[in-house]
Amino acid sequence: AQSVAQPEDQVNVAEGNPLTVKCTYSVSGNPYLFWYVQYPNRGLQFLLKYITGDNLVKGSYGFEAEFNKSQTSFHLKKPSALVSDSALYFCAVRWSDTDKLIFGTGTRLQVFP
Amino acid sequence: KAGVTQTPRYLIKTRGQQVTLSCSPISGHRSVSWYQQTPGQGLQFLFEYFSETQRNKGNFPGRFSGRQFSNSRSEMNVSTLELGDSALYLCASSLGPGAGQPQHFGDGTRLSIL
Repeated sequence: AQSVAQPEDQVNVAEGNPLTVKCTYSVSGNPYLFWYVQYPNRGLQFLLKYITGDNLVKGSYGFEAEFNKSQTSFHLKKPSALVSDSALYFCAVRWSDTDKLIFGTGTRLQVFP
Repeated sequence: KAGVTQTPRYLIKTRGQQVTLSCSPISGHRSVSWYQQTPGQGLQFLFEYFSETQRNKGNFPGRFSGRQFSNSRSEMNVSTLELGDSALYLCASSLGPGAGQPQHFGDGTRLSIL
């Protein structure tokens, strides 16, 4: 069955340090991969996507993500975290036009000053 | 460009009632999807519409239904409300149904069932 895993419920990082939020998916092939962020009482905001091409994708607010086909992973990264990055982050995967967009369970990122 | 607009933002209903939620997509977007978000179940897909046709449906009972109008606006209806239907209902729009199209979300309707 198709599934998306975010193994960490919460990630804590000090401001200015690099951050990584992990995401793996169950089925190989050619997935379409997305990262979204959710602030309190708001909907999800699109950060970046991987369709094809360069494995390192750059997105909004200085975030980037690295696609690794052999490990079926799509980890979100940022070189220097900001306190304002504290939010809930969701990884999502879709395998074809007829498939549903499947979300991970979310990872709460807490950046401490 | 205006984002996805969902109305109302908050709603309180009692068990057994029915409710209709509305979603206006970003101008030019023709695909609309609905999701239910709860602390316990996370984000669960409800349905997806494109050109007034339902393309995909999640694993929800028939009490949950939706439709899309010719102007791409969408509504979802929940009948015979249950306590477990309390959730944040999110609508998302995209240019089309292509798998690579990012979805853009509204701020949701928070439904509370008493």
